[in-house]
Amino acid sequence: AQSVTQLGSHVSVSEGALVLLRCNYSSSVPPYLFWYVQYPNQGLQLLLKYTSAATLVKGINGFEAEFKKSETSFHLTKPSAHMSDAAEYFCAVSGPDYKLSFGAGTTVTVRA
Amino acid sequence: GAGVSQSPSNKVTEKGKDVELRCDPISGHTALYWYRQSLGQGLEFLIYFQGNSAPDKSGLPSDRFSAERTGGSVSTLTIQRTQQEDSAVYLCASSVDRGKADTQYFGPGTRLTVL
Repeated sequence: AQSVTQLGSHVSVSEGALVLLRCNYSSSVPPYLFWYVQYPNQGLQLLLKYTSAATLVKGINGFEAEFKKSETSFHLTKPSAHMSDAAEYFCAVSGPDYKLSFGAGTTVTVRA
Repeated sequence: GAGVSQSPSNKVTEKGKDVELRCDPISGHTALYWYRQSLGQGLEFLIYFQGNSAPDKSGLPSDRFSAERTGGSVSTLTIQRTQQEDSAVYLCASSVDRGKADTQYFGPGTRLTVL
């Protein structure tokens, strides 16, 4: 079975500061990992995904994530936060049964 | 192009009533998923359709929940005899195919409130 754990349900950062959202996974097979963002009253939008190619994955809006097998982690980062980054972020893993298992989500607030 | 659409965007119903939620996937996508997002349970998988294959219903929480997909396109999720614990946002997603790496594209969701 596959699962992900997101550390920290809320993260507050200053505008221009580093954004770091933590995700650890558990998988019995090589995982496929995803980060989605959800803005208020909207569906989920894919930020980036890891599919066993490069371990450093670049996504939209300046986000990137690094797959570290030894740490079973897939943390999401952005060097400089923008007010528009305020949203909820979900890490997800897809296993052999193709279903997505989501973490509990991390809400990001950006302080001016 | 057009994304995944869902209707209605909001639905308020009384306990015990039946509701139908609709999903229009992206044209050409063969895989369709339903998820439920609630405060207590987070995002949960409900059901999955792939082409003409039998759906994977393993995530449906009770036999009050059912879904169908007509013509390999539009899907309807039906909840019979709604209960207050059914209140949640129901999200539909579609993908090109069934692969593990395929991106699932999500609709805006239907917010269901059961009074």
